[in-house]
Amino acid sequence: DGGITQSPKYLFRKEGQNVTLSCEQNLNHDAMYWYRQDPGQGLRLIYYSQIVNDFQKGDIAEGYSVSREKKESFPLTVTSAQKNPTAFYLCASSTVAGGYNEQFFGPGTRLTVL
Amino acid sequence: AQSVTQPDIHITVSEGASLELRCNYSYGATPYLFWYVQSPGQGLQLLLKYFSGDTLVQGIKGFEAEFKRSQSSFNLRKPSVHWSDAAEYFCAVGLMEYGNKLVFGAGTILRVKS
Repeated sequence: DGGITQSPKYLFRKEGQNVTLSCEQNLNHDAMYWYRQDPGQGLRLIYYSQIVNDFQKGDIAEGYSVSREKKESFPLTVTSAQKNPTAFYLCASSTVAGGYNEQFFGPGTRLTVL
Repeated sequence: AQSVTQPDIHITVSEGASLELRCNYSYGATPYLFWYVQSPGQGLQLLLKYFSGDTLVQGIKGFEAEFKRSQSSFNLRKPSVHWSDAAEYFCAVGLMEYGNKLVFGAGTILRVKS
């Protein structure tokens, strides 16, 4: 079945550690996105990539980094510079051809900093 | 700046009653509008979308939404709510000029009482 997978589902990190969240899609989508969700704030865009080896900062990129070496994969690293990383992280993907295209979301990773 | 407002943080309705969730957006151009639903700890599922054409759009699970340009609104409705509709609902506007990113409202939590 085509879809987006995120791993792990739950992640615990000690303060000062970097941690990487995985996002993989087999939908053959060109664009991929990372969103952060906090209670009462909706989702906010961290980074997005419309093509391999290229990515752009979103609204809250500070303390995060990404890479896009393969079309199927868009991992997100939460660095120690991110002051409040405990949140629910959602990955999404979409096609880019022919105007605006809807985004499909993965199941999410809940990150907790201990 | 683009923004989406969902004025109701929580709504409680009785099973079988009608539902309307409000959404207002701020965006200069013709908007691409979406409603997503999220069950606790899960990813987002697309309920419906508006790109152009008929301003009343039908979605999955018996939901519909009406685009009113004069009021900058895109309210979600359902004539008869089922207990399984209890979830959090997000309205979003899609921005083509920013990598197709989505700007989300803060969400409305729907509770259904029997």
